[in-house]
Amino acid sequence: SAVISQKPSRDICQRGTSLTIQCQVDSQVTMMFWYRQQPGQSLTLIATANQGSEATYESGFVIDKFPISRPNLTFSTLTVSNMSPEDSSIYLCSANRGGGQETQYFGPGTRLLVL
Amino acid sequence: AQKITQTQPGMFVQEKEAVTLDCTYDTSDPSYGLFWYKQPSSGEMIFLIYQGSYDQQNATEGRYSLNFQKARKSANLVISASQLGDSAMYFCAMREGGGGFKTIFGAGTRLFVKA
Repeated sequence: SAVISQKPSRDICQRGTSLTIQCQVDSQVTMMFWYRQQPGQSLTLIATANQGSEATYESGFVIDKFPISRPNLTFSTLTVSNMSPEDSSIYLCSANRGGGQETQYFGPGTRLLVL
Repeated sequence: AQKITQTQPGMFVQEKEAVTLDCTYDTSDPSYGLFWYKQPSSGEMIFLIYQGSYDQQNATEGRYSLNFQKARKSANLVISASQLGDSAMYFCAMREGGGGFKTIFGAGTRLFVKA
């Protein structure tokens, strides 16, 4: 199994500021993803983090608001830019090994509250 | 486009009894994977069980089994001998294509186990 850690685990931020969330996987994985879970809701995929190239964003999410980096196979960051109270959510990093490895692992999440 | 539907917002079950959580899906891709995750109040996403679209047998993992009915496009989770610790949110999820592609989630079912 892959162990995924995220930093910070939680934060309270002021509107208009930005927060960068870090995701570290303990072994090389092929695919890394960022999800958002708004209060009482399911998980919504924000983007696929691609190593060495721009992330692939889902409908409704844009790079200017959620810039993502993935400099290597085990690390990715998600920035929530120019935050508003509507960005208050849990942000989850996820990864799988690809190539027939079915299990998709999740980090513990980052709980963000924007005031 | 792929779609996952969970029609039961909440379910109650008596301790030690079995419970079935419903999940239907829609995809045009012949190759896909179906997952169930448990999310307790702590927020972590716990992988429970996986079923591949080409798997001939229903997946089982301990007290969890997946009732896969391909023609009906359903992938219900059966939990046998429910325990108080099973009280949590349960999400059905689907990934199209071969290993490594994005996974989408259903709305979830909250399970309450009564003593």
